[in-house]
Amino acid sequence: KNQVEQSPQSLIILEGKNCTLQCNYTVSPFSNLRWYKQDTGRGPVSLTIMTFSENTKSNGRYTATLDADTKQSSLHITASQLSDSASYICVVRDSSGAGSYQLTFGKGTKLSVIP
Amino acid sequence: SAVISQKPSRDICQRGTSLTIQCQVDSQVTMMFWYRQQPGQSLTLIATANQGSEATYESGFVIDKFPISRPNLTFSTLTVSNMSPEDSSIYLCSVERPMNTEAFFGQGTRLTVV
Repeated sequence: KNQVEQSPQSLIILEGKNCTLQCNYTVSPFSNLRWYKQDTGRGPVSLTIMTFSENTKSNGRYTATLDADTKQSSLHITASQLSDSASYICVVRDSSGAGSYQLTFGKGTKLSVIP
Repeated sequence: SAVISQKPSRDICQRGTSLTIQCQVDSQVTMMFWYRQQPGQSLTLIATANQGSEATYESGFVIDKFPISRPNLTFSTLTVSNMSPEDSSIYLCSVERPMNTEAFFGQGTRLTVV
């Protein structure tokens, strides 16, 4: 069964500090891995999307890494801001074939940035 | 990108009643989906809304409880029928472009059943 596990479940950091969120997955066959940011009361918004051949992808202060061999990904947030407070969700898409669609969602890491 | 308008954004409903959630996309999309997000849980796919045919439901979800309409390529509705407190959740519509690109989500409907 495809699974996506995220850690930590929650995290509190001081404004201006860096942090790293982890994602381990057992999705096969792998197609791509996405990180989403979900503000409270809002829908998820895409931060990065990486395919098998990509190791790193950045989006401003967000940098995602992917190790397809160990099936691990991380999301690094640099110089955190209060507006970074949100849930960060790791999502993996499989490639089961034409017409097939399957996204497996992690439960998310709830990040709180405090002044 | 795709701009998705979902409404209502939130509602409090009496048990036994039904609520219809609307999802409007600013451009034609082939693939449209409905998800449920229960408190502290990950998103769970309810069904794929197919234009011109019946929706495709995931295991554990049935048409009688979650009827879906998809009259055209820009609009869909999800109805939560005969609601109970266990249906309290966030419901999200989503679209995905062809060729395996990213998914876009509506802002969600926070449903509370009392």
